Amino acid sequence: KAGVTQTPRYLIKTRGQQVTLSCSPISGHRSVSWYQQTPGQGLQFLFEYFSETQRNKGNFPGRFSGRQFSNSRSEMNVSTLELGDSALYLCASTLGGITEAFFGQGTRLTVV
Amino acid sequence: AQKITQTQPGMFVQEKEAVTLDCTYDTSDQSYGLFWYKQPSSGEMIFLIYQGSYDEQNATEGRYSLNFQKARKSANLVISASQLGDSAMYFCAMREGSGTASKLTFGTGTRLQVTL
Repeated sequence: KAGVTQTPRYLIKTRGQQVTLSCSPISGHRSVSWYQQTPGQGLQFLFEYFSETQRNKGNFPGRFSGRQFSNSRSEMNVSTLELGDSALYLCASTLGGITEAFFGQGTRLTVV
Repeated sequence: AQKITQTQPGMFVQEKEAVTLDCTYDTSDQSYGLFWYKQPSSGEMIFLIYQGSYDEQNATEGRYSLNFQKARKSANLVISASQLGDSAMYFCAMREGSGTASKLTFGTGTRLQVTL
């Protein structure tokens, strides 16, 4: 079956712009989580959606937001981009609960 | 306190040898899950192996096994018969609680280099 699909793979944006990243989970998976990975901070949890509801949120400013659609696809949005938002953004798909979590290939965002 | 600790920033192993990557964790939950992921330079996070806190047997997946010592709160990854393609970053992660929340907490990773 198809894996987790993240689009786009690479993105270059200018400070102050906004960006939307997309994640399509494995078919049947209802939970989608987002993570930010930077060399300095490592992997940090952004938020999790389950059945279109945000269940959990990490310690990120309100510029970071997300949503989930009825088909479980999720988007995350970052407004007013800062240089420090440059990172690899990873999306994880699970059935929910303590089970295996599968990641997409990530979106590498560069803010200039 | 760190929830997931990986004390080896980098490791070298010769091809065909076995290697152990260390991971200790800290949680007060009785129900939790432990994961290992491989991240090659391409960036994708590849799921390797999972151990539930109530699983009595150590998890195994092909050349990967998880040495789970609950009392010591350790979950070391053992890779047998290393291959050049095993060179990558390896992350240990934990999910806490018995509910449906899916937040993973990651360690800082270990960079494994397999040599000829």
